[in-house]
Amino acid sequence: SAVISQKPSRDICQRGTSLTIQCQVDSQVTMMFWYRQQPGQSLTLIATANQGSEATYESGFVIDKFPISRPNLTFSTLTVSNMSPEDSSIYLCSVFSDTSSYEQYFGPGTRLTVT
Amino acid sequence: DQQVKQNSPSLSVQEGRISILNCDYTNSMFDYFLWYKKYPAEGPTFLISISSIKDKNEDGRFTVFLNKSAKHLSLHIVPSQPGDSAVYFCAALAGTALIFGKGTTLSVSS
Repeated sequence: SAVISQKPSRDICQRGTSLTIQCQVDSQVTMMFWYRQQPGQSLTLIATANQGSEATYESGFVIDKFPISRPNLTFSTLTVSNMSPEDSSIYLCSVFSDTSSYEQYFGPGTRLTVT
Repeated sequence: DQQVKQNSPSLSVQEGRISILNCDYTNSMFDYFLWYKKYPAEGPTFLISISSIKDKNEDGRFTVFLNKSAKHLSLHIVPSQPGDSAVYFCAALAGTALIFGKGTTLSVSS
């Protein structure tokens, strides 16, 4: 399975500011996914990031709030913009297994607290 | 409206016994289901999956059963071990997106 790292692992930010989260994979992948887990909730897909094209956002998520970059096949960033306390969540990136088109593997997550 | 539901927030089991975690779904078009385990401060770890064309998949101590007519799947862990204590998420694959349940916290006591 792919090894996925994320930076930062956690952060505490003030409302109105922005935070960029990095996701690095140890192998080249076509698609990278960004999920959010709000406290006590399930994981929810924010967007799918493909290298060389615009990210595809799920219903309820917009590019102005969560801009995504995908400069190459091993790296992606998610920015949480103009943060409010409701953005306090764990943000995770994931990729498909290199041996299966169904199994996704997740990074360790970034725990964000907005005060 | 939740498409994947895990109605039991928690489950407590003694070491050596069977743990059964349940999951219900509403969309009959889902064609793949996965179970993940999550420890605090870590990302979800893939455990086992099952295609909608099968009714059982087994991997060591873990077995997943799928009942399509009831839109229900379950994860059996036999025998349960204290290290299995974690949050277990059921997920359904819709295209390339995973739709998760809210999770069940399993506690295995020795």
